[in-house]
Amino acid sequence: AQKVTQAQTEISVVEKEDVTLDCVYETRDTTYYLFWYKQPPSGELVFLIRRNSFDEQNEISGRYSWNFQKSTSSFNFTITASQVVDSAVYFCALSGGRSGYSTLTFGKGTMLLVSP
Amino acid sequence: DTAVSQTPKYLVTQMGNDKSIKCEQNLGHDTMYWYKQDSKKFLKIMFSYNNKELIINETVPNRFSPKSPDKAHLNLHINSLELGDSAVYFCASSQLGGNPTTRELFFGEGSRLTVL
Repeated sequence: AQKVTQAQTEISVVEKEDVTLDCVYETRDTTYYLFWYKQPPSGELVFLIRRNSFDEQNEISGRYSWNFQKSTSSFNFTITASQVVDSAVYFCALSGGRSGYSTLTFGKGTMLLVSP
Repeated sequence: DTAVSQTPKYLVTQMGNDKSIKCEQNLGHDTMYWYKQDSKKFLKIMFSYNNKELIINETVPNRFSPKSPDKAHLNLHINSLELGDSAVYFCASSQLGGNPTTRELFFGEGSRLTVL
């Protein structure tokens, strides 16, 4: 069975602080994919990043960066110099198996509140 | 052009009624999904269709019946609505077959169902 744990339910920071959202996953698959989604207060789900299990390179996109560590089964997400617009619920998700017929298993989400 | 569109966005109805939510995607994807997000923001897969065929059917009451008339549409019909059905229902699509594939899901804006 697959499982995604986001231990931080809610994080509050002040603008310009850096913040890291943790994600730990469990899977028996050797091939799998990891994702992060953002859900702002308006409610839509916005895709941020996909990572496959064979690519442990960290990725940076503007103020966002992701640290994938297979050894600890973690896929953490860091926002540098946070802004009020970053306030949202962030979901980590896992999709496994070689078959395309797999769905995303989501963590319970971390609510990030960035205050001015 | 909205990639994945759902209607209606809001639905308020009485217990016992039957209601439908429609979903259409114009991304040319071969797979569509329904996810349910409960009041605690937890996202869970309900159904998945690949090329109009049901491939995933989680433990969802049989009051919920998905229907996929073609690859671009996946509708959700709910009979005898109960209070516990109140949630946000998200439709999503992805491309699992052929090349390129997109493991990430593209979500609609969600349909908030309130059962009174």
